[in-house]
Amino acid sequence: SAVISQKPSRDICQRGTSLTIQCQVDSQVTMMFWYRQQPGQSLTLIATANQGSEATYESGFVIDKFPISRPNLTFSTLTVSNMSPEDSSIYLCSVAGDSYEQYFGPGTRLTVT
Amino acid sequence: AQSVTQPDIHITVSEGASLELRCNYSYGATPYLFWYVQSPGQGLQLLLKYFSGDTLVQGIKGFEAEFKRSQSSFNLRKPSVHWSDAAEYFCAVGPSMYSGGGADGLTFGKGTHLIIQP
Repeated sequence: SAVISQKPSRDICQRGTSLTIQCQVDSQVTMMFWYRQQPGQSLTLIATANQGSEATYESGFVIDKFPISRPNLTFSTLTVSNMSPEDSSIYLCSVAGDSYEQYFGPGTRLTVT
Repeated sequence: AQSVTQPDIHITVSEGASLELRCNYSYGATPYLFWYVQSPGQGLQLLLKYFSGDTLVQGIKGFEAEFKRSQSSFNLRKPSVHWSDAAEYFCAVGPSMYSGGGADGLTFGKGTHLIIQP
């Protein structure tokens, strides 16, 4: 399975600011995914990032709020823009394995004050 | 749209006792099915997966799961739990090649919080 790292591991941010989360994979992958896990909740898919094309966003998530970059096959970033306390969550990136299973990074715990 | 139901929010089991966590799914075709575990402060770890074939699949840490098409279920079991099994368990579904899907995102259940009593 792929080894995935995320930076930062946690952050505390002021409302109205933006935070960019980095996701690095130790091997080349076609598809990367970004999820949100709100406190005490399950995971919700934000978007799918395919290298060389625009990210595909799920219902309820928009590019202006969660812009995603995918500059190469091992790296992606998710920006949480104009943050509010409701954005306090764990943000996880994942990659697809050979048989459509997904492997997850350790997550970025974001607190917005 | 696909959905996953984990009817038990919390389950308490004595150490050494057997465990079964329930998962039901709604999907247009046979999906790929997964169980993940999330320990406190940890990321998600894949326990096991079902794609096709034998309906009883073995995973890591002594876990197994049984796929029952007639019941749209994929319950997770372990014959004897250890204190280290205390964690949040998530069932997830994803589109399979049989349903025409590619490597799309997964749909997760709300999770079951497992508490181990000494």
